Amino acid sequence: QKEVEQNSGPLSVPEGAIASLNCTYSDRVSQSFFWYRQYSGKSPELIMSIYSNGDKEDGRFTAQLNKASQYVSLLIRDSQPSDSATYLCAPSRAGGFKTIFGAGTRLFVKA
Amino acid sequence: DGGITQSPKYLFRKEGQNVTLSCEQNLNHDAMYWYRQDPGQGLRLIYYSQIVNDFQKGDIAEGYSVSREKKESFPLTVTSAQKNPTAFYLCASSKSEMYGYTFGSGTRLTVV
Repeated sequence: QKEVEQNSGPLSVPEGAIASLNCTYSDRVSQSFFWYRQYSGKSPELIMSIYSNGDKEDGRFTAQLNKASQYVSLLIRDSQPSDSATYLCAPSRAGGFKTIFGAGTRLFVKA
Repeated sequence: DGGITQSPKYLFRKEGQNVTLSCEQNLNHDAMYWYRQDPGQGLRLIYYSQIVNDFQKGDIAEGYSVSREKKESFPLTVTSAQKNPTAFYLCASSKSEMYGYTFGSGTRLTVV
């Protein structure tokens, strides 16, 4: 079992729709959870962080965390073509200064 | 503006040659990291450092070496022992694991 599992995609959604990106992780002691966006040929950029169960909203982005199910998700509302990128899920273990990255989900937003 | 600077953007290595990738940050972050990314794959950790003069091997350290003589700098050397070095190399830093990472713009290394 991989430490972090993401559907590789591509996930294709029409402009204006909600994109739902999912991630499961195996390390039960993970305490911090991050989503990074990576455009083709570029480096990753941190877009969301979540630390406790429930939802966290930031603009068009909502992160959802369920530690009991070891599941974290990212919702993108009103998807735009500029959201087309690969999204990396990254749980982090406290005290370890070390984050595990998933392989990412490719999102394609059709205009 | 604070950030991480990686250089060069593109690097070509001949067989049997050692090359060094530069990474400098002015964010005053304690921790710094080197990752390797191959096409269509996730990030794999090469080395990381939590403080000056100390660093730990990641998952794929063989054929690589690092130093951390200054808080701001964490250079990576790709040695001739690394048999398949063609990849996108990413340097990152973090204040702590609670804050996530800031990445540099990356160095694309190709063996010629």
